Amino acid sequence: GQQVMQIPQYQHVQEGEDFTTYCNSSTTLSNIQWYKQRPGGHPVFLIQLVKSGEVKKQKRLTFQFGEAKKNSSLHITATQTTDVGTYFCATGGSGGGADGLTFGKGTHLIIQP
Amino acid sequence: DGGITQSPKYLFRKEGQNVTLSCEQNLNHDAMYWYRQDPGQGLRLIYYSQIVNDFQKGDIAEGYSVSREKKESFPLTVTSAQKNPTAFYLCASSVVSGNTIYFGEGSWLTVV
Repeated sequence: GQQVMQIPQYQHVQEGEDFTTYCNSSTTLSNIQWYKQRPGGHPVFLIQLVKSGEVKKQKRLTFQFGEAKKNSSLHITATQTTDVGTYFCATGGSGGGADGLTFGKGTHLIIQP
Repeated sequence: DGGITQSPKYLFRKEGQNVTLSCEQNLNHDAMYWYRQDPGQGLRLIYYSQIVNDFQKGDIAEGYSVSREKKESFPLTVTSAQKNPTAFYLCASSVVSGNTIYFGEGSWLTVV
Protein backbone atom coordinates (compact mmCIF):
# COMPACT_ATOMS: atom_id res chain seq x y z
CA GLY A 1 0.00 0.00 0.00
CA GLN A 2 0.91 3.65 -0.12
CA GLN A 3 3.37 4.90 2.45
CA VAL A 4 3.89 8.37 3.79
CA MET A 5 6.98 9.62 5.61
CA GLN A 6 6.74 12.41 8.13
CA ILE A 7 9.48 14.73 9.30
CA PRO A 8 10.60 15.73 11.78
CA GLN A 9 9.74 13.07 14.36
CA TYR A 10 10.05 15.56 17.20
CA GLN A 11 9.98 19.37 17.20
CA HIS A 12 10.68 21.58 20.20
CA VAL A 13 9.60 25.20 19.88
CA GLN A 14 9.24 28.15 22.18
CA GLU A 15 5.69 29.32 22.65
CA GLY A 16 4.94 31.89 19.98
CA GLU A 17 7.30 30.37 17.41
CA ASP A 18 6.06 28.79 14.20
CA PHE A 19 5.98 25.06 13.54
CA THR A 20 5.92 23.02 10.35
CA THR A 21 5.62 19.29 9.74
CA TYR A 22 6.09 17.64 6.39
CA CYS A 23 4.58 14.55 4.83
CA ASN A 24 6.20 12.95 1.79
CA SER A 25 5.41 10.07 -0.52
CA SER A 26 7.24 8.48 -3.44
CA THR A 27 3.93 7.95 -5.23
CA THR A 28 1.09 10.24 -6.21
CA LEU A 29 -1.53 10.43 -3.50
CA SER A 30 -5.27 10.59 -4.11
CA ASN A 31 -5.73 12.63 -0.96
CA ILE A 32 -4.03 13.59 2.27
CA GLN A 33 -5.58 13.98 5.67
CA TRP A 34 -4.20 15.49 8.85
CA TYR A 35 -5.02 14.38 12.39
CA LYS A 36 -4.03 15.69 15.80
CA GLN A 37 -3.58 13.52 18.87
CA ARG A 38 -3.27 15.21 22.24
CA PRO A 39 -1.16 13.44 24.89
CA GLY A 40 -3.19 10.55 26.29
CA GLY A 41 -5.95 11.09 23.74
CA HIS A 42 -7.10 9.74 20.42
CA PRO A 43 -6.50 11.14 16.91
CA VAL A 44 -8.93 13.81 15.80
CA PHE A 45 -9.52 14.70 12.16
CA LEU A 46 -8.31 18.17 11.17
CA ILE A 47 -8.64 18.43 7.41
CA GLN A 48 -8.55 16.65 4.06
CA LEU A 49 -6.81 17.86 0.89
CA VAL A 50 -7.56 16.34 -2.50
CA LYS A 51 -6.57 18.85 -5.20
CA SER A 52 -3.11 19.50 -6.58
CA GLY A 53 -1.65 22.64 -5.02
CA GLU A 54 -4.54 22.98 -2.58
CA VAL A 55 -4.12 25.29 0.42
CA LYS A 56 -6.54 25.39 3.32
CA LYS A 57 -6.45 27.43 6.49
CA GLN A 58 -7.94 26.90 9.92
CA LYS A 59 -7.16 29.92 12.10
CA ARG A 60 -3.41 29.61 12.80
CA LEU A 61 -3.07 26.32 10.85
CA THR A 62 -2.21 26.25 7.15
CA PHE A 63 -2.34 23.01 5.19
CA GLN A 64 -0.81 22.53 1.75
CA PHE A 65 -0.93 19.75 -0.82
CA GLY A 66 1.92 19.74 -3.32
CA GLU A 67 1.48 20.33 -7.03
CA ALA A 68 2.58 16.77 -7.78
CA LYS A 69 0.38 15.41 -4.98
CA LYS A 70 3.38 13.67 -3.43
CA ASN A 71 3.86 15.88 -0.40
CA SER A 72 1.96 17.95 2.10
CA SER A 73 2.70 20.26 4.97
CA LEU A 74 1.04 21.59 8.09
CA HIS A 75 2.20 24.96 9.36
CA ILE A 76 1.18 26.47 12.69
CA THR A 77 1.76 30.18 13.18
CA ALA A 78 2.59 31.49 16.65
CA THR A 79 2.24 28.23 18.56
CA GLN A 80 0.29 28.08 21.78
CA THR A 81 0.41 25.49 24.57
CA THR A 82 -2.88 24.09 23.30
CA ASP A 83 -1.08 23.03 20.11
CA VAL A 84 0.92 20.39 21.99
CA GLY A 85 0.42 16.90 20.61
CA THR A 86 1.28 14.60 17.75
CA TYR A 87 0.30 15.53 14.23
CA PHE A 88 -0.27 12.70 11.76
CA CYS A 89 -0.72 12.77 8.03
CA ALA A 90 -2.67 9.93 6.45
CA THR A 91 -3.71 8.87 3.02
CA GLY A 92 -6.66 6.83 1.79
CA GLY A 93 -6.40 3.39 0.29
CA SER A 94 -7.07 2.48 -3.32
CA GLY A 95 -10.55 1.35 -2.32
CA GLY A 96 -11.77 4.89 -1.90
CA GLY A 97 -10.73 5.15 1.70
CA ALA A 98 -13.04 2.62 3.27
CA ASP A 99 -10.23 0.06 3.28
CA GLY A 100 -8.45 2.11 5.90
CA LEU A 101 -6.01 4.99 5.98
CA THR A 102 -2.25 4.64 6.01
CA PHE A 103 -0.72 6.91 8.63
CA GLY A 104 2.68 8.49 8.90
CA LYS A 105 4.57 8.03 12.15
CA GLY A 106 3.65 11.51 13.29
CA THR A 107 5.47 14.63 14.43
CA HIS A 108 5.51 15.26 18.17
CA LEU A 109 5.20 18.98 18.90
CA ILE A 110 6.66 20.01 22.25
CA ILE A 111 6.18 23.61 23.31
CA GLN A 112 8.35 25.33 25.90
CA PRO A 113 6.62 28.24 27.61
CA ASP B 1 -24.50 11.35 22.38
CA GLY B 2 -23.14 10.14 19.05
CA GLY B 3 -19.76 8.53 18.81
CA ILE B 4 -17.57 5.51 19.18
CA THR B 5 -17.32 3.72 22.51
CA GLN B 6 -14.44 1.44 23.34
CA SER B 7 -14.20 -0.75 26.41
CA PRO B 8 -12.42 -1.44 28.57
CA LYS B 9 -10.12 1.57 28.64
CA TYR B 10 -7.43 -0.40 30.49
CA LEU B 11 -6.93 -4.14 30.37
CA PHE B 12 -4.30 -6.44 31.78
CA ARG B 13 -3.79 -9.87 30.30
CA LYS B 14 -1.72 -12.81 31.34
CA GLU B 15 0.43 -14.43 28.71
CA GLY B 16 -1.43 -17.20 26.89
CA GLN B 17 -4.85 -15.65 27.35
CA ASN B 18 -7.17 -14.30 24.70
CA VAL B 19 -8.84 -10.96 25.34
CA THR B 20 -11.62 -9.16 23.49
CA LEU B 21 -11.83 -5.39 23.10
CA SER B 22 -15.27 -3.96 22.52
CA CYS B 23 -16.11 -1.23 19.99
CA GLU B 24 -19.60 0.17 19.47
CA GLN B 25 -20.63 3.09 17.26
CA ASN B 26 -23.94 4.90 16.87
CA LEU B 27 -22.87 7.04 13.92
CA ASN B 28 -24.59 4.74 11.41
CA HIS B 29 -21.23 4.24 9.69
CA ASP B 30 -20.80 1.24 7.43
CA ALA B 31 -17.01 0.99 7.72
CA MET B 32 -15.15 0.18 10.93
CA TYR B 33 -11.46 -0.26 11.68
CA TRP B 34 -9.00 -1.39 14.31
CA TYR B 35 -5.61 0.29 14.61
CA ARG B 36 -2.71 -0.43 16.90
CA GLN B 37 -0.44 2.33 18.18
CA ASP B 38 3.05 1.78 19.58
CA PRO B 39 5.43 4.56 20.60
CA GLY B 40 7.20 5.94 17.54
CA GLN B 41 5.29 3.66 15.18
CA GLY B 42 2.27 5.75 14.37
CA LEU B 43 -0.96 3.88 13.73
CA ARG B 44 -1.03 0.52 12.00
CA LEU B 45 -4.15 -1.08 10.56
CA ILE B 46 -5.12 -4.47 12.01
CA TYR B 47 -8.49 -5.22 10.43
CA TYR B 48 -11.26 -3.33 8.69
CA SER B 49 -14.84 -3.99 7.73
CA GLN B 50 -16.80 -2.19 5.04
CA ILE B 51 -20.09 -3.95 5.66
CA VAL B 52 -21.78 -6.29 8.08
CA ASN B 53 -20.57 -9.91 7.94
CA ASP B 54 -17.50 -8.96 5.96
CA PHE B 55 -14.01 -7.92 7.07
CA GLN B 56 -10.51 -7.75 5.65
CA LYS B 57 -7.01 -8.07 7.05
CA GLY B 58 -4.95 -4.95 7.42
CA ASP B 59 -1.18 -4.64 7.61
CA ILE B 60 -0.68 -6.45 10.94
CA ALA B 61 -3.57 -8.94 11.28
CA GLU B 62 -1.53 -11.88 12.58
CA GLY B 63 -2.56 -12.85 16.12
CA TYR B 64 -5.84 -10.94 15.95
CA SER B 65 -9.42 -11.81 15.00
CA VAL B 66 -12.59 -9.79 14.50
CA SER B 67 -16.29 -10.22 13.82
CA ARG B 68 -18.92 -7.92 12.34
CA GLU B 69 -22.30 -9.41 13.15
CA LYS B 70 -23.94 -6.03 13.63
CA LYS B 71 -23.39 -2.70 11.93
CA GLU B 72 -22.79 -1.03 15.27
CA SER B 73 -20.26 -3.46 16.68
CA PHE B 74 -16.75 -4.55 15.68
CA PRO B 75 -15.03 -6.42 18.53
CA LEU B 76 -11.33 -7.26 18.34
CA THR B 77 -9.88 -10.40 19.93
CA VAL B 78 -6.19 -10.38 20.75
CA THR B 79 -5.19 -14.03 20.75
CA SER B 80 -2.34 -15.78 22.51
CA ALA B 81 -0.66 -16.02 19.11
CA GLN B 82 0.05 -12.29 19.13
CA LYS B 83 3.70 -12.10 20.17
CA ASN B 84 3.78 -8.56 21.52
CA PRO B 85 0.25 -7.44 22.31
CA THR B 86 1.02 -4.63 24.76
CA ALA B 87 -0.15 -1.49 22.94
CA PHE B 88 -2.81 1.17 22.59
CA TYR B 89 -5.73 -0.07 20.45
CA LEU B 90 -7.93 2.37 18.57
CA CYS B 91 -11.27 1.58 16.98
CA ALA B 92 -12.58 3.88 14.27
CA SER B 93 -15.41 4.22 11.79
CA SER B 94 -16.31 6.09 8.62
CA VAL B 95 -18.93 6.30 5.94
CA VAL B 96 -17.99 4.03 3.07
CA SER B 97 -18.01 6.77 0.46
CA GLY B 98 -15.83 9.13 2.45
CA ASN B 99 -12.33 9.04 3.87
CA THR B 100 -12.62 10.81 7.19
CA ILE B 101 -12.12 8.43 10.07
CA TYR B 102 -13.53 9.02 13.55
CA PHE B 103 -11.73 7.37 16.43
CA GLY B 104 -12.84 6.02 19.78
CA GLU B 105 -10.89 6.93 22.90
CA GLY B 106 -8.81 3.79 22.75
CA SER B 107 -8.03 0.80 24.93
CA TRP B 108 -4.71 0.20 26.65
CA LEU B 109 -3.74 -3.47 26.74
CA THR B 110 -0.87 -4.63 28.92
CA VAL B 111 0.41 -8.19 29.08
CA VAL B 112 1.70 -9.15 32.52
